[in-house]
Amino acid sequence: AQKVTQAQTEISVVEKEDVTLDCVYETRDTTYYLFWYKQPPSGELVFLIRRNSFDEQNEISGRYSWNFQKSTSSFNFTITASQVVDSAVYFCALSEASYSGGGADGLTFGKGTHLIIQP
Amino acid sequence: DGGITQSPKYLFRKEGQNVTLSCEQNLNHDAMYWYRQDPGQGLRLIYYSQIVNDFQKGDIAEGYSVSREKKESFPLTVTSAQKNPTAFYLCASSGIRSGANVLTFGAGSRLTVL
Repeated sequence: AQKVTQAQTEISVVEKEDVTLDCVYETRDTTYYLFWYKQPPSGELVFLIRRNSFDEQNEISGRYSWNFQKSTSSFNFTITASQVVDSAVYFCALSEASYSGGGADGLTFGKGTHLIIQP
Repeated sequence: DGGITQSPKYLFRKEGQNVTLSCEQNLNHDAMYWYRQDPGQGLRLIYYSQIVNDFQKGDIAEGYSVSREKKESFPLTVTSAQKNPTAFYLCASSGIRSGANVLTFGAGSRLTVL
């Protein structure tokens, strides 16, 4: 069975600080996909990134960066120079590749990390 | 703009009543999903459908029912058999291709049982 653990329930930092959100996953598959989503107070989840298990390169997108390490089964998310607009709940999610090729049987989510950026 | 529309945004229900949550998408996506979100519990999969007239149970399907008569629509009925229905319900859709697909989410429906 697959599982995603986000041990940090809530993080509070002052604006402009860097912050890292941790994500640890468990899966028996050798092929899988990892995701990060952002849920602002409005409630709608916003897709941030998808990474497959064969691509361990770190990725940077503006102030966001992701560190994927298969050796520790982690997919951590760092926000550099945080801003108040970054305040949200962030979810890490996992999908095991479907043998049918469809790959459309949903995602397994972690419980989320509530990030609070104080001005 | 393409997207997912969920309605109603807020819904109140008396115990013992069934209620149906609407989910419509105009993204031409084949797959649709229903998730339930409780405080501190993340998202849990209720039902999903990869094709019209077919759907599968997720992790917490008991007390819920769905239908998929049209590609664009995937309504969820919360029945009286659901013991603790108060929650935030999120509908999502995705294309189908080899590998995993990015889910696009609606704005959610918040159900409160009085």
